Amino acid sequence: DAGVIQSPRHEVTEMGQEVTLRCKPISGHDYLFWYRQTMMRGLELLIYFNNNVPIDDSGMPEDRFSAKMPNASFSTLKIQPSEPRDSAVYFCASRRLAGVHEQFFGPGTRLTVL
Amino acid sequence: DAKTTQPPSMDCAEGRAANLPCNHSTISGNEYVYWYRQIHSQGPQYIIHGLKNNETNEMASLIITEDRKSSTLILPHATLRDTAVYYCIVRVVRSNSGYALNFGKGTSLLVTP
Repeated sequence: DAGVIQSPRHEVTEMGQEVTLRCKPISGHDYLFWYRQTMMRGLELLIYFNNNVPIDDSGMPEDRFSAKMPNASFSTLKIQPSEPRDSAVYFCASRRLAGVHEQFFGPGTRLTVL
Repeated sequence: DAKTTQPPSMDCAEGRAANLPCNHSTISGNEYVYWYRQIHSQGPQYIIHGLKNNETNEMASLIITEDRKSSTLILPHATLRDTAVYYCIVRVVRSNSGYALNFGKGTSLLVTP
């Protein structure tokens, strides 16, 4: 298995632009998580899905952030409009329903907003 | 979820055992202890977990004290590739829960030649 796939790996954009981050979870996994990592706040959960349905989005910073999971093999995290403080590494992770003890993380997308 | 306390950094010589402590004095009976690590510029990686008993897998051993208020992750023969930030996480696990992880600051382990 290729593992969790994220794209792009690096994104540089200007303030005010729309940014879309993409994630392909491991096939057969039922849960998908989006995390954000910064030096100041560490790794923090933004949102997670179960069977493509958003379950907990309490970590989403504000209305500029939105996430979708149109099918079991694809999810997006969109920031519109982007701001410099959104600069971070964004990780996607997935796990199986039965595999409650282990999450598999993708390589992350490093976002820089100028 | 119970709060965890870890030293911010540790050093270990290559080939020696690395013992990473974690304090979780407020842990409750149904909370598991998890360890993940994050190598520079990579996503976090699961290492091991335990509830009450000591556990061992191909990566590491987890020693949990009898009162469960602290634990130690042991890398028996540390290599340079084990240099990473190690996170100790305590979490209740329910079969129908997302089991979202609450990462703290972790311990930055430096393995030296």
